[in-house]
Amino acid sequence: KAGVTQTPRYLIKTRGQQVTLSCSPISGHRSVSWYQQTPGQGLQFLFEYFSETQRNKGNFPGRFSGRQFSNSRSEMNVSTLELGDSALYLCASSETTGPPYNEQFFGPGTRLTVL
Amino acid sequence: ILNVEQSPQSLHVQEGDSTNFTCSFPSSNFYALHWYRWETAKSPEALFVMTLNGDEKKKGRISATLNTKEGYSYLYIKGSQPEDSATYLCNRIDKLIFGTGTRLQVFP
Repeated sequence: KAGVTQTPRYLIKTRGQQVTLSCSPISGHRSVSWYQQTPGQGLQFLFEYFSETQRNKGNFPGRFSGRQFSNSRSEMNVSTLELGDSALYLCASSETTGPPYNEQFFGPGTRLTVL
Repeated sequence: ILNVEQSPQSLHVQEGDSTNFTCSFPSSNFYALHWYRWETAKSPEALFVMTLNGDEKKKGRISATLNTKEGYSYLYIKGSQPEDSATYLCNRIDKLIFGTGTRLQVFP
C-alpha cells in the first residue's frame, strides 16, 4: 500500500496570506489527524477527521481549519498567516478513530515558512 | 501530571550501551499509549501500542513497559546502534497529547 502523502512538501508565504495543505491517507484509512511541530513545542494536535466529520479539535485559533472529503483525503487551511505559524505540519492516518486506538501512520510533512 | 512528559530531553550514548527513557502521563481514565521513533528527515514511525497495565512489548532490541496506575512507561534499548539515533516520542493517544520527545544519539 502507498503511504500517507502530503503536498506540498515546502511552502513559503508572507504574513497575512492564507495557505491550504493536503493529505492523502493510506488506502482504507478513514481517520486523518493533523499536527503542528515547532522547535521546543513537540507535536501539537490540531484536529482529527473521520468519515468527513471533525471528531476532535486541539487548542488552536479559528484561523486553522480543515475538512475531509468522501475519499478520506483531507485539507488543512490557515488564514491570515502569522510568523508563528512557521512550522512542520504533519498529517497521520489510521483505520479508525477512538478505541482501540490503532497506530497512526504519518506523512512526510509540509514545511511552512511565513516571512 | 496534566501533560505528557518525557525524560531526559536528550541522550548521547556509545554504540553497544543500553539505555532507557521515561514517559510520564496523566493516569486517570487511561486508555492507550503509543511510542514512536522519529528519525531525521523521515516521518514518525509507530513502535508500540500499549493499553494494559503491566504490558511489556518488544521489537528486536527495543522494549517498553507500561504502568497505568502511576502513569509512566519506560522504553529500553539494548546494545544501542548508530541506526537507533532518533527522537522517541510517546503519545497518550486518547488525550491526543504527545510528549516533547527524547532525542537519542548513538556514537560509533
